Amino acid sequence: QKEVEQDPGPLSVPEGAIVSLNCTYSNSAFQYFMWYRQYSRKGPELLMYTYSSGNKEDGRFTAQVDKSSKYISLFIRDSQPSDSATYLCAMSGPRRRDDKIIFGKGTRLHILP
Amino acid sequence: KAGVTQTPRYLIKTRGQQVTLSCSPISGHRSVSWYQQTPGQGLQFLFEYFSETQRNKGNFPGRFSGRQFSNSRSEMNVSTLELGDSALYLCASRDRQSNSPLHFGNGTRLTVT
Repeated sequence: QKEVEQDPGPLSVPEGAIVSLNCTYSNSAFQYFMWYRQYSRKGPELLMYTYSSGNKEDGRFTAQVDKSSKYISLFIRDSQPSDSATYLCAMSGPRRRDDKIIFGKGTRLHILP
Repeated sequence: KAGVTQTPRYLIKTRGQQVTLSCSPISGHRSVSWYQQTPGQGLQFLFEYFSETQRNKGNFPGRFSGRQFSNSRSEMNVSTLELGDSALYLCASRDRQSNSPLHFGNGTRLTVT
C-alpha cells in the first residue's frame, strides 16, 4: 500500500461548481497536511497548510482533515477556469524538522467555462 | 521576498553526460530540498540539505548528488545520465526550524537524448 493515494483524474467540472479533491494515507503518524496547486510549466504553489484534524478555510478553499479515517480533502467553491491545474496533497509526521514530506501524485482538474 | 530561483529552466543532454542544476532559496531559508517529478511517479524526494549538511535522502542511486553552500544556495548533480533521468527537477526551500511548508521554484526541465 502506498503511503499517500490520490486519484489522478482528470476531473472535469462546470464553472461555478463545488470541487472536491481527496487523498488517503496509511501512516497514522502524519500530522501536517498540505495542498499544492501546480500549473503547467510551473512549480507547485502552496494553497493550504493544516495541522492535525479539522477544517481550515481560506477564501474559496477549504481543507479538511479526518485523521480517524486517514482522509484529507480540499474543497473549491465557485470554481473558475483559472482553477484548472494539478492539485497535489502532501503530508509529514510529528518530528517537525526531521520528517520527509510525502506527496500524492496529483489530481488534474479542468474547470469548463 | 523573492521566491525560489532555479537555473537553468531547460536543459538537453545526451546519455552518459553529467549535469549540474542550481537553486537559490528564499532569503532566510536554510533548508533546501530537491525533488524529481515525472508523469508516472509524481514527485519523488531526492535529498534535503540544511546548514550545508545532507539531512534526509530518498531512494535514488549514487549518480544523484547534491551540496549546499554557506549562503544556502544548493546544487544538484547527476552523473552518467540515463534516458530515464528525463524529468522536471524541483527545488524547494523552507524555514526548517519552524517546520514551515515547502516553497518551490519553477524547476529545471531536463531532457536526456
